[in-house]
Amino acid sequence: QSVLTQPPSVSGAPGQRVTISCTGSSSNIGAGYDVNWYQQLPGTAPKLVIYGDTHRPSGVPDRFSGSKSGTSASLAITGLQAEDEADYYCQSQDSSLSGEVVFGGGTKLTVL
Amino acid sequence: QVQLVQSGAEVKKPGASVKVSCKASGYTFTSYPIYWLRQAPGQGFEYLGWLSAGNGAPIFSQRFQDRVTFTKDTSANTAYMELTSLRSEDTAVYYCARNNWNRLDPWGQGTLVTVSS
Repeated sequence: QSVLTQPPSVSGAPGQRVTISCTGSSSNIGAGYDVNWYQQLPGTAPKLVIYGDTHRPSGVPDRFSGSKSGTSASLAITGLQAEDEADYYCQSQDSSLSGEVVFGGGTKLTVL
Repeated sequence: QVQLVQSGAEVKKPGASVKVSCKASGYTFTSYPIYWLRQAPGQGFEYLGWLSAGNGAPIFSQRFQDRVTFTKDTSANTAYMELTSLRSEDTAVYYCARNNWNRLDPWGQGTLVTVSS
């Protein structure tokens, strides 16, 4: 059982916009801890796509954006492309676990 | 470029131990903590703990604190994770990752550890 809750799957057609939610609580996202998002292509290591709630690392397309409000965060991908098909994970920290990193269970994005 | 390269896949019997290495390059090794996580087949991520690459102080997840050890060789820019008393449920891909101001970036390529009799 993951500390952060994500939908198991989302899908969209090429060119469309999709969002992936990440719901936490007052001890993690709601406590003000940063939310980071990782993309994991099949058989590969995770890659950071959003950090500090809303910031994009260099090299990540501006089609990827992040937001946070209260105890939830979201990852949005616009102009969906076939190469975006992957698993996406949110990550934060939790004060009830002495600041340990915590993850969502992951969301499988399918590009139709 | 900043990179973490891990050791190769391992097959171990129940009760044995495994040691995974994580070699850093492209940055000052002692300036950033190294985190260890694992991902069981088809599952999400589980946090094992982290090691200060500076003073070598380890922090363990409560779930693994009696079975996991983190060490480092600063001269080789390499961090190590050893997990003891292996059981079948420890079968997973083990990752190291650099903690860069509370974000895990980059990650190593992963090391598959298979525990089977």
